[in-house]
Amino acid sequence: EVQLVETGGGLIQPGGSLRLSCEVSGLRVNDYYMHWVRQAPGKGLEWVSVIYSGDYTYYTASVKGRFTISRDISKNTLFLQMNNLRADDTAMYYCAKEGGNDTFFDLWGLGTLVTVSS
Amino acid sequence: SSELTQDPAVSVALGQTVRITCQGDTLRTYYANWYQQKPGQAPMLLIYGKNSRPPGIPDRFSGSVSGNTASLTIIGAQADDEADYHCNSRGDISGNPVFGGGTRLTVL
Repeated sequence: EVQLVETGGGLIQPGGSLRLSCEVSGLRVNDYYMHWVRQAPGKGLEWVSVIYSGDYTYYTASVKGRFTISRDISKNTLFLQMNNLRADDTAMYYCAKEGGNDTFFDLWGLGTLVTVSS
Repeated sequence: SSELTQDPAVSVALGQTVRITCQGDTLRTYYANWYQQKPGQAPMLLIYGKNSRPPGIPDRFSGSVSGNTASLTIIGAQADDEADYHCNSRGDISGNPVFGGGTRLTVL
């Protein structure tokens, strides 16, 4: 079965760090463009980061310099290292597989909740 | 601008047709994609590209675009269609994905 399963979320104090994982099953994590998308409570979806072939990475402006996307081919897993967390990083974080040229996401995980609060 | 704008809420009578819109300059260049999200669930792809549906998505759902406005049309709205609907596209400046703010659909 093709699926994405995120883990690693939790309650963290401002300034702290978390590493999110997205375990990929049924396909190879390095064969696709893989993204992180987040959703603050009661808000819309916000694109966070992407890792392309050749390990090119891009980030939304608000997380640049604080978040790092990576993948481990041997573990077939996508990661998001989040440092210097802020209250406005509080959100459900989804990993998502890009489906094609029109930048659509055809496979989503269930998400992992990150709460940044003192 | 890479922003996409959606109406926060739309309602439709059971069995009627509803159109949910997504506006943004980037839609003059790139197609909009549409997702359905029910409470407590992850988004699910409904429409991508010009007007393609993933397997299992009924043809009651369709997409179109005119100028800088993309539309998701639902024919014969059902109670189960009550959900949040999100559009996304590629940002015309950054080239990175962008999302609209989402539209909550209520089926009356």
